[in-house]
Amino acid sequence: NAGVTQTPKFQVLKTGQSMTLQCAQDMNHNSMYWYRQDPGMGLRLIYYSASEGTTDKGEVPDGYNVSRLKKQNFLLGLESAAPSQTSVYFCASSQDRGRWTYTDTQYFGPGTRLTVL
Amino acid sequence: ELKVEQNPLFLSMQEGKNYTIYCNYSTTSDRLYWYRQDPGKSLESLFVLLSNGAVKQEGRLMASLDTKARLSTLHITAAVHDLSATYFCAVESRGGSEKLVFGKGTKLTVNP
Repeated sequence: NAGVTQTPKFQVLKTGQSMTLQCAQDMNHNSMYWYRQDPGMGLRLIYYSASEGTTDKGEVPDGYNVSRLKKQNFLLGLESAAPSQTSVYFCASSQDRGRWTYTDTQYFGPGTRLTVL
Repeated sequence: ELKVEQNPLFLSMQEGKNYTIYCNYSTTSDRLYWYRQDPGKSLESLFVLLSNGAVKQEGRLMASLDTKARLSTLHITAAVHDLSATYFCAVESRGGSEKLVFGKGTKLTVNP
C-alpha cells in the first residue's frame, strides 16, 4: 500500500495563476482532508470530505475549492493564487468512525510545498 | 470555538533527561491525538487518546489525557537524540465530525 500520495511535491506559481493539488489514498478511507502548514501556526484545516461527493469547509477555506468525485481522490484547487497561499499543503485520510472503531487516526501524505511569487 | 494550546513551543534538553509537553484545549472533547513531524517530512501518528484517564506508552514517550481538566501531557523519559522532532497535539471538534484542531507544535531538540 502506498498510503496517501500527493502530487506535485513542489510547485512555484505566479500571483493570479491557478493550479490543482492532487491527493490519492489506497486505504479505502471514506474521510479525506486538506491542511496547510505555516511556520509557527501548526496545521489548519482547509476543507474536509466525509464521503465521495461531499465536502465541508474547514478553518481557512477562502481562496480554495475542492472536488471529491472519486472515493480515493481529493483535489484542492487554487483559482487565483496569492502570495498568502505560500505554504506546505498536507492531505490526510481516515477510516470510518464506526461505533466500535477506537484506534483510528488520520494518515498524512508527504506534502506539497507551494510558493506563490 | 475550539482552541488548542501547547507549551512549551520550543524545548532544548540533554540526553538522559526527562521532560513533559503540555496540551490544553478550550472546549469539551473526547478524542486527542499526538503526532510527530521530522524536519521536511510528513506527520506520523504517535497516540490516540479516547477517554478520561487514558494513558498510552511507546518506548520513551508516554501520553495521558484528563478530559475534566482539558489537558493532555506527553512525557519524555531519558531523552535520546532520535526523539528530536516537532510534536503536535490535535483535538477533535465535538460532534464526531472528525475535524481536528492542531496545536502550534513543540519543537524538541535533544542535545548529546
